[in-house]
Amino acid sequence: KNEVEQSPQNLTAQEGEFITINCSYSVGISALHWLQQHPGGGIVSLFMLSSGKKKHGRLIATINIQEKHSSLHITASHPRDSAVYICAVRLWTSGSRLTFGEGTQLTVNP
Amino acid sequence: EPEVTQTPSHQVTQMGQEVILRCVPISNHLYFYWYRQILGQKVEFLVSFYNNEISEKSEIFDDQFSVERPDGSNFTLKIRSTKLEDSAMYFCASSGVGDEQFFGPGTRLTVL
Repeated sequence: KNEVEQSPQNLTAQEGEFITINCSYSVGISALHWLQQHPGGGIVSLFMLSSGKKKHGRLIATINIQEKHSSLHITASHPRDSAVYICAVRLWTSGSRLTFGEGTQLTVNP
Repeated sequence: EPEVTQTPSHQVTQMGQEVILRCVPISNHLYFYWYRQILGQKVEFLVSFYNNEISEKSEIFDDQFSVERPDGSNFTLKIRSTKLEDSAMYFCASSGVGDEQFFGPGTRLTVL
């Protein structure tokens, strides 16, 4: 069983829609990252969370430590948001290394 | 804004050859990482490095792999004798005291 599970695996939306990507993890963590991977392969860090909620522009990330669950929301989605969104966690048992989810492929159509 | 850089962007090599992948982490960061992503798969941790020594490594990071910080700015990953299954995207990352990891653009390694 994967320690980090993301859903959905693929998501297609129309421009302007509100988007939610979910991440669940099965063990204790000290931090959770949301990352964006562009079609060319590069990875950009969007958020690092250990509790509560963070907002940056149209992106909002939340985490519920008790439920071992995090969500990434995109408001007013745009075709340029099309990318793979990856949840990665730092496990309490594994130092500073990150354990990654499979990613969610988001396509936003105009 | 400071960023992690990696060279080369794409490396093609023959099986059995040695390759060195280079990274320049963000200048005031103290923790350095290598990850890899085989095409179509998720990103996997290889190794972390702190205070001039390996702090953690995965089961993937066997004797064929080594890391070095030769000059205080570069951070390198060496694969001594490449195999076909080493073909992947290799990402360097660095973090400071705040623990958020910042990733480089990656090096695509193709082993023929």
